[in-house]
Amino acid sequence: GEDVEQSLFLSVREGDSSVINCTYTDSSSTYLYWYKQEPGAGLQLLTYIFSNMDMKQDQRLTVLLNKKDKHLSLRIADTQTGDSAIYFCAEIENSGAGSYQLTFGKGTKLSVIP
Amino acid sequence: DAEITQSPRHKITETGRQVTLACHQTWNHNNMFWYRQDLGHGLRLIHYSYGVHDTNKGEVSDGYSVSRSNTEDLPLTLESAASSQTSVYFCASSRTSGAYNEQFFGPGTRLTVL
Repeated sequence: GEDVEQSLFLSVREGDSSVINCTYTDSSSTYLYWYKQEPGAGLQLLTYIFSNMDMKQDQRLTVLLNKKDKHLSLRIADTQTGDSAIYFCAEIENSGAGSYQLTFGKGTKLSVIP
Repeated sequence: DAEITQSPRHKITETGRQVTLACHQTWNHNNMFWYRQDLGHGLRLIHYSYGVHDTNKGEVSDGYSVSRSNTEDLPLTLESAASSQTSVYFCASSRTSGAYNEQFFGPGTRLTVL
């Protein structure tokens, strides 16, 4: 399958902005996703972007998509301690016959320092 | 409220034993997935199902099997547990198998094979 790459760790101070980066390889991905995993829990969809968009903003979250470079980023403004979690980038891949599967990156662990 | 549950939440077993992990969802979703999460590997797809009696192999299916006899349940069986199968296992479900594919995750089962 295709590889989705992310840096593994990010540490920021409370109140600063966090930027989590991701590169993907499947240029035909129509949707790209960010999932959040809090400690001891399953993943939860945080936000997504459709491939014909460059940017999507949702309250403190901004997703930027550079299709030419296959680069996706998630910016969290005014990062709070509650944002400490693992963030997964995921791309959708066509597995044939009109069905699609998610391919996840390894996840970026965000640590917020009070 | 609709939900997805996994049981047990923690399991310790011995090499060679058969183990079954349960997954139950009440959303009436057609699509269900099993992933394993390991440090340095992120989430990897084990098996998935797009409906009753449908099962498909994922990226890391060796040593695992699933069966889908109803919409709500997708149990994952380790036929003969190996230490390499020590991991955290997540079940997920989704309403669609299209390009927009929000998956809902269970809380996970931590399996230790001694």
